[in-house]
Amino acid sequence: QSALTQPASVSGSPGQSITISCTGTSSDVGGYNYVSWYQQHPGKVPKLMIYGVTNRPSGISDRFSGSKSGNTASLTISGLQPEDEADYYCSSYTSGTTLVIFGGGTKLTVL
Amino acid sequence: QMRLQESGPGLMKPSETLSLTCTVSGASIRSFYWSWVRQPPGKGLEYIAYVYYTGSPNYNPSLKSRVTISEDTSKNQFSLKLSSVTVADTAVYYCARLAPWSFDVWGRGTLVTVSS
Repeated sequence: QSALTQPASVSGSPGQSITISCTGTSSDVGGYNYVSWYQQHPGKVPKLMIYGVTNRPSGISDRFSGSKSGNTASLTISGLQPEDEADYYCSSYTSGTTLVIFGGGTKLTVL
Repeated sequence: QMRLQESGPGLMKPSETLSLTCTVSGASIRSFYWSWVRQPPGKGLEYIAYVYYTGSPNYNPSLKSRVTISEDTSKNQFSLKLSSVTVADTAVYYCARLAPWSFDVWGRGTLVTVSS
């Protein structure tokens, strides 16, 4: 299976809101509510930010929210803060043989 | 608190077999799905495989012919073997709990470098 499609980079100023998209197919993003989002700072371990399209794990700020429309899922970060600058990856369950696929990642720059 | 810790060889030569072990503390490996994910330097995340002790393991088709994942319930560990490694297998290898279908607890990762 092909990786999910994410923009290579997005940017925003402190206090603004940004949205990162994750586009798949009806066999993954569009077919199941199993989209997750991960934040990864340079040299650090990925951190689960959103699971099941819209759910936040305990301890994750409500500035982070997820949604889905058709074959595209989105991560929205509101009230951008400098510490939000990181790489973000989406993943999804897929009905293909691999069962889990990742997006290529998006670098968020906080200007 | 659940913790995962990878152990591996660090440096390998092409054609060798990579063996990695993930030691789980704070949870029984009988109770969850366990997985391996890798990340080549400067690149994105790639799912490798998962195992659940009562079911069949699952493998990324792109690696399936070279990968074996297994569990050792007596040691509360799970392992990965990747045969015939090449330079392209150079990556940070993470073990992670797969709470179907998200990776919610990660190890710190171990860098495996394949070089002649």
